[in-house]
Amino acid sequence: EAGVVQSPRYKIIEKKQPVAFWCNPISGHNTLYWYLQNLGQGPELLIRYENEEAVDDSQLPKDRFSAERLKGVDSTLKIQPAELGDSAVYLCASSLVSGLTEAFFGQGTRLTVV
Amino acid sequence: RKEVEQDPGPFNVPEGATVAFNCTYSNSASQSFFWYRQDCRKEPKLLMSVYSSGNEDGRFTAQLNRASQYISLLIRDSKLSDSATYLCVVNLYSSASKIIFGSGTRLSIRP
Repeated sequence: EAGVVQSPRYKIIEKKQPVAFWCNPISGHNTLYWYLQNLGQGPELLIRYENEEAVDDSQLPKDRFSAERLKGVDSTLKIQPAELGDSAVYLCASSLVSGLTEAFFGQGTRLTVV
Repeated sequence: RKEVEQDPGPFNVPEGATVAFNCTYSNSASQSFFWYRQDCRKEPKLLMSVYSSGNEDGRFTAQLNRASQYISLLIRDSKLSDSATYLCVVNLYSSASKIIFGSGTRLSIRP
């Protein structure tokens, strides 16, 4: 069975440019998470979806970040415009039942803003 | 105060040693608890769930103390391959679950 797939693996962009990340969760997993992880820190939740509904986006900086999960499967996370401080690893995860069962993570997208 | 706190380490112990990590959480309503392992430049992976009665998986033992609001992870007979960052994860499940990661504890096993 395929795991959570993310692309791209690495992205280098100049500040003020837009960037988008894509995630394909494990088939059948209704819950999808986007996390941000800085070096030496644990993952921080940006947004959580239950099917196509964003049920927790309280930590998403909405002035520059947006996300969507069309048809309750794949998801994209966008930053526009990117800032130097956005450099981090962006992790996507999915689970069968939100918070009660194991969350499986993708390999992440390492973003560098220069 | 952070909602989930861990000692960042690093813990540097010899192979074969026993090592223990603690993690404290601030919200008494927290319902589910997990330990994840993250290798350098890799994604986090579930190590084990933590049950109220405590649970063991081979050399790993997890404990939950609701009264004091902490969970622990004990690793016996440590192996070189145990070197990683161990992330404490707490889920507050109410009307909408909220999964919170600790900042992780780095463990390095030396030969």
